[in-house]
Amino acid sequence: AQSVTQLDSHVSVSEGTPVLLRCNYSSSYSPSLFWYVQHPNKGLQLLLKYTSAATLVKGINGFEAEFKKSETSFHLTKPSAHMSDAAEYFCVVSEKQAGTALIFGKGTTLSVSS
Amino acid sequence: GAGVSQSPSNKVTEKGKDVELRCDPISGHTALYWYRQSLGQGLEFLIYFQGNSAPDKSGLPSDRFSAERTGGSVSTLTIQRTQQEDSAVYLCASSLTLGLGNTGELFFGEGSRLTVL
Repeated sequence: AQSVTQLDSHVSVSEGTPVLLRCNYSSSYSPSLFWYVQHPNKGLQLLLKYTSAATLVKGINGFEAEFKKSETSFHLTKPSAHMSDAAEYFCVVSEKQAGTALIFGKGTTLSVSS
Repeated sequence: GAGVSQSPSNKVTEKGKDVELRCDPISGHTALYWYRQSLGQGLEFLIYFQGNSAPDKSGLPSDRFSAERTGGSVSTLTIQRTQQEDSAVYLCASSLTLGLGNTGELFFGEGSRLTVL
């Protein structure tokens, strides 16, 4: 069965500095991996998705994530944080079989200070 | 409709009562998910419907929880004999399944906030 662990429940950065949100996964098969973002009082939105093409995946708003099979990681990064990036971020795993549910991590709250 | 629609948006009930939460997915989406979001708990997977296959119920926390999906479209999540710990936001999402091993983007509804007094 698949599982996902977000290593930090809360990350605080200053505006203009890099962002790193860490995610490790466990999967019996080749996984699909996603990052979703949830802004305060808003619905969940897909940031980016890895499904076995390029290991470096680019998403919206300047975010990207790198799939590292040897480390079973899919960390989310952004070179320069913006105030509007403050939100909760979820790492999600799904095994590459039809009929497999998507499993969410517990989330990382990103705070951005000016 | 254009997006995933959930009702009611807010529900306050007394402990021991039954509640039904409804989800209307995006037309044509074959996959439908229910999640529960509690403070500090992230999104907890409850149940997953994929086309005509038997649903994956592995996330349902107790036998008080059940869900149906009629005609491959609308889904109802039922919680019987509600308890205070059932208080949470219940989120529904739907997606296309793009083929074996290729899960489409999840589109989420705005959720149903359940408060059990």
